[in-house]
Amino acid sequence: NAGVTQTPKFQVLKTGQSMTLQCAQDMNHEYMSWYRQDPGMGLRLIHYSVGAGITDQGEVPNGYNVSRSTTEDFPLRLLSAAPSQTSVYFCASSYLPGQSLGSPLHFGNGTRLTVT
Amino acid sequence: RKEVEQDPGPFNVPEGATVAFNCTYSNSASQSFFWYRQDCRKEPKLLMSVYSSGNEDGRFTAQLNRASQYISLLIRDSKLSDSATYLCVVNRANTGKLIFGQGTTLQVKP
Repeated sequence: NAGVTQTPKFQVLKTGQSMTLQCAQDMNHEYMSWYRQDPGMGLRLIHYSVGAGITDQGEVPNGYNVSRSTTEDFPLRLLSAAPSQTSVYFCASSYLPGQSLGSPLHFGNGTRLTVT
Repeated sequence: RKEVEQDPGPFNVPEGATVAFNCTYSNSASQSFFWYRQDCRKEPKLLMSVYSSGNEDGRFTAQLNRASQYISLLIRDSKLSDSATYLCVVNRANTGKLIFGQGTTLQVKP
């Protein structure tokens, strides 16, 4: 049971380049989400999904796109990278929040992205 | 005002001490509450869920105060290995959003 798999672990981009961060989970979780973590800012929600075909914006969605074509996968796309997107990105999944007492998030190992 | 607020610390305590962290949330209809632990440059990991009646897991005790809209984490008999950042997480009511606090850093010294 792999849990949440995130790739790549490290990435360096030039300003204006595009890329996709991959996230896959094998726990049949309905809920998947992307966070970014910056020093002094904590984890901030970028986008989330409560099921295949359904996505919604989090706290800091600008500059990022997502899609959820299957239950297992939730890729995050940076269409035109900017230095402000330098951060550590975490994908996380769980059963639907609020549906059962305690639906803890399972995190991937993170992607460290630098945009120059 | 942030939706979920924590004192970032750091809290510096000696081994064996008891330390408590609070976390306040602004949405009174929030439904689920958690404490996560994050070690430097690693992914957060669930420490414990917070139940309405309060709950304990070994040296760790979590409490929820809905009237005052805060949750707390108490760590007894601190160990060096407890040094980490502790993140408060709240489920925004009627949405799929799990919102994190900034985190509280704990340093346990010998």
